[in-house]
Amino acid sequence: EAQVTQNPRYLITVTGKKLTVTCSQNMNHEYMSWYRQDPGLGLRQIYYSMNVEVTDKGDVPEGYKVSRKEKRNFPLILESPSPNQTSLYFCASSFVAASTDTQYFGPGTRLTVL
Amino acid sequence: DAKTTQPNSMESNEEEPVHLPCNHSTISGTDYIHWYRQLPSQGPEYVIHGLTSNVNNRMASLAIAEDRKSSTLILHRATLRDAAVYYCILRDGSGAGSYQLTFGKGTKLSVIP
Repeated sequence: EAQVTQNPRYLITVTGKKLTVTCSQNMNHEYMSWYRQDPGLGLRQIYYSMNVEVTDKGDVPEGYKVSRKEKRNFPLILESPSPNQTSLYFCASSFVAASTDTQYFGPGTRLTVL
Repeated sequence: DAKTTQPNSMESNEEEPVHLPCNHSTISGTDYIHWYRQLPSQGPEYVIHGLTSNVNNRMASLAIAEDRKSSTLILHRATLRDAAVYYCILRDGSGAGSYQLTFGKGTKLSVIP
């Protein structure tokens, strides 16, 4: 089944403890991105990747890192999480980076930083 | 970026058609109109998109005004599973930008059994 998977789905952590949220897609998509969703603010893009080894900042990149060493994986790294990064995170992918292309979203990761 | 305006919420009876409006008066000639929806506790999912002509697929129809300043997503027979937040999004087709989806607040559709 074609899908985007994220792990973990739920995570409670403490301030400053490094964490990684994994994202994997099995559709051979070139474009991948991360969004966060907060009440009243909607979904906002954190980082995106046009292809392997090509990444760039979205609208809210502060406090996050990403890497794209393989086509299928696009992990989101929080090196020193803070409470304002408590949010619902979604990974998305599409075949290419094109405005007509469909983006497929993962099921989400709910992160709480205490 | 061109913006969209949608009603905050709408209600529909089950098995009735639903027309979800979207205004985008500042749309540019290269902007595509996309619709995504987000069911409770799930990630957004693609519904439909178009540029100038009306579009149909298995999920919905998209009616685009002749001047492209508004569009309407049509669900032909609402089911309980269609209860979701529906987002109308403009995507720049000129080749510039990060190809991100810029989500607004969307329309929360409630379906009454």
